[in-house]
Amino acid sequence: AQTVTQSQPEMSVQEAETVTLSCTYDTSENNYYLFWYKQPPSRQMILVIRQEAYKQQNATENRFSVNFQKAAKSFSLKISDSQLGDTAMYFCAFMRYGGSQGNLIFGKGTKLSVKP
Amino acid sequence: NAGVTQTPKFQVLKTGQSMTLQCAQDMNHNSMYWYRQDPGMGLRLIYYSASEGTTDKGEVPNGYNVSRLNKREFSLRLESAAPSQTSVYFCASSPHRDLEGEQYFGPGTRLTVT
Repeated sequence: AQTVTQSQPEMSVQEAETVTLSCTYDTSENNYYLFWYKQPPSRQMILVIRQEAYKQQNATENRFSVNFQKAAKSFSLKISDSQLGDTAMYFCAFMRYGGSQGNLIFGKGTKLSVKP
Repeated sequence: NAGVTQTPKFQVLKTGQSMTLQCAQDMNHNSMYWYRQDPGMGLRLIYYSASEGTTDKGEVPNGYNVSRLNKREFSLRLESAAPSQTSVYFCASSPHRDLEGEQYFGPGTRLTVT
């Protein structure tokens, strides 16, 4: 069974600085996807970034980028130039390619606070 | 586009009561999902529907039933609510199989069972 671990329950960062959120996962699969989702205080989950395991290039999306280390089963999220609106819970998620449809496995989340 | 909508936003039930949570999406997505989120936990999949007319169990299906009424709507029913079902429930949809991890979520329903 796949598991996703986020070892940082809470983090804080000053506005305009850079922060990195950690995620590790355990799987015997070779083909899979990894995601970071954001849940602001409004509760609505929003996809931040996606990474296909077969791609060596790390995904980027504006101020958000990932460091994907397949051998180490590590998938960290870097947020550059942090903004107050980045304050949210961040969930790392895993999905097996071609497996049970839509079965996203989520970590327990990291609560990020951006301070002015 | 409203995206994914859920009703109600809040609900309080007594143990043993039944209710149906409604979900609709207007993005013409094929797949729809129901999750629950408990304090300190990530989301856990209850049921999903890969297409109209099909439903499958997820990680935590016990105590729930679902209906994929049509392509737009996917409802979740609690036949006899229990305090352990106190949670926040999220509905989600995704466009097709290759993008199934890219899910669009509704605002959630906060359910309390006393």
